[in-house]
Amino acid sequence: NAGVMQNPRHLVRRRGQEARLRCSPMKGHSHVYWYRQLPEEGLKFMVYLQKENIIDESGMPKERFSAEFPKEGPSILRIQQVVRGDSAAYFCASSLNPTDTQYFGPGTRLTVL
Amino acid sequence: AQSVAQPEDQVNVAEGNPLTVKCTYSVSGNPYLFWYVQYPNRGLQFLLKYITGDNLVKGSYGFEAEFNKSQTSFHLKKPSALVSDSALYFCAVRGSPGSGNTGKLIFGQGTTLQVKP
Repeated sequence: NAGVMQNPRHLVRRRGQEARLRCSPMKGHSHVYWYRQLPEEGLKFMVYLQKENIIDESGMPKERFSAEFPKEGPSILRIQQVVRGDSAAYFCASSLNPTDTQYFGPGTRLTVL
Repeated sequence: AQSVAQPEDQVNVAEGNPLTVKCTYSVSGNPYLFWYVQYPNRGLQFLLKYITGDNLVKGSYGFEAEFNKSQTSFHLKKPSALVSDSALYFCAVRGSPGSGNTGKLIFGQGTTLQVKP
């Protein structure tokens, strides 16, 4: 049973470009969470999605960031017009149900030049 | 507001000695508490969790944690540390279902554990 998959593992973008981060949850999991880890900091919650629905986006920046989890395919975290402050590790986690353990992917390390 | 505190940035222990990594929390309702470990340039690995029941929870790799409701603490422990336990450890909390709790985890800042041979 494959774990949570994220790609790409490393992503380099220039300021103003778009970044698209993908997350495939564990088999059978329909709940996906995105977290961001800034350098020298802990993980901060961004958004929680369940197939085709955004359940909680209280941690998402108001502008430039969006997330989706379509009926088919991976969850996507999209960052438009990236800035240097977006450089971070972005982790996806999935769970079987909202009260179950969240299992994390290896992360995508975004570097904005 | 929900929060987690890990008061020590780094814990140093000698191999074979017991280790404790501290965590205190603040959450509405009954807490769901978790410990994760992160190795360099890797994702988080689940170690153990407390939902309800016995206050002493046993997890992966010989780790255990003790839930103390009166002190709002959930310290991670291991009787005998290994050099390979050296990593970054995160405590996390979520509120019990309802009361506006959607399942998101609130993480502490992390504690680096250094085990010396």
